[in-house]
Amino acid sequence: DAGVIQSPRHEVTEMGQEVTLRCKPISGHDYLFWYRQTMMRGLELLIYFNNNVPIDDSGMPEDRFSAKMPNASFSTLKIQPSEPRDSAVYFCASSPTTTSWYFGPGTRLTVL
Amino acid sequence: SQQGEEDPQALSIQEGENATMNCSYKTSINNLQWYRQNSGRGLVHLILIRSNEREKHSGRLRVTLDTSKKSSSLLITASRAADTASYFCAAQGAQKLVFGQGTRLTINP
Repeated sequence: DAGVIQSPRHEVTEMGQEVTLRCKPISGHDYLFWYRQTMMRGLELLIYFNNNVPIDDSGMPEDRFSAKMPNASFSTLKIQPSEPRDSAVYFCASSPTTTSWYFGPGTRLTVL
Repeated sequence: SQQGEEDPQALSIQEGENATMNCSYKTSINNLQWYRQNSGRGLVHLILIRSNEREKHSGRLRVTLDTSKKSSSLLITASRAADTASYFCAAQGAQKLVFGQGTRLTINP
């Protein structure tokens, strides 16, 4: 198994641009999580899905952030418009049972 | 914040010594997990201890859990240079995993 796949691995964009981060979970995992990691705030849970349905999005910072999971093998996290304070590493994780999380390598986002 | 705290924030020891990291959390949990993160990489699951367990071992790792104090510790014995990384505890309540701030561990050769 290739593990959780995230793309792109690095993204540099200018303030105001739309950013889309992508995640392919491990096949058969029913849960998908989006986390953000910064030096100041550590690892924060943004949103998670169960069977493609968003369950808890209370960690999404504001309306500029949106996440979708159109099918069991794909999820996106979109930021529109992006701001410099959105610069962080964004991790996607999937889980079959909610007792074992598998993290992707992350997307390092830099907003200039 | 739902995040817990880890102590110390940074730890530097000599190779071969034992490293102990502590974690406190705020909510009731189903289990507590420890993860390692090498610089610039993703998180790797190390060990999980359930709320009804007090101690668990895995190789050179020993984890304890005190639910009355809402705290956990991770002990790495006979440390190696390859153990240099950041270590995070994560408390799981329901389906959510809430991470601590992490301990940056440096093993000096």
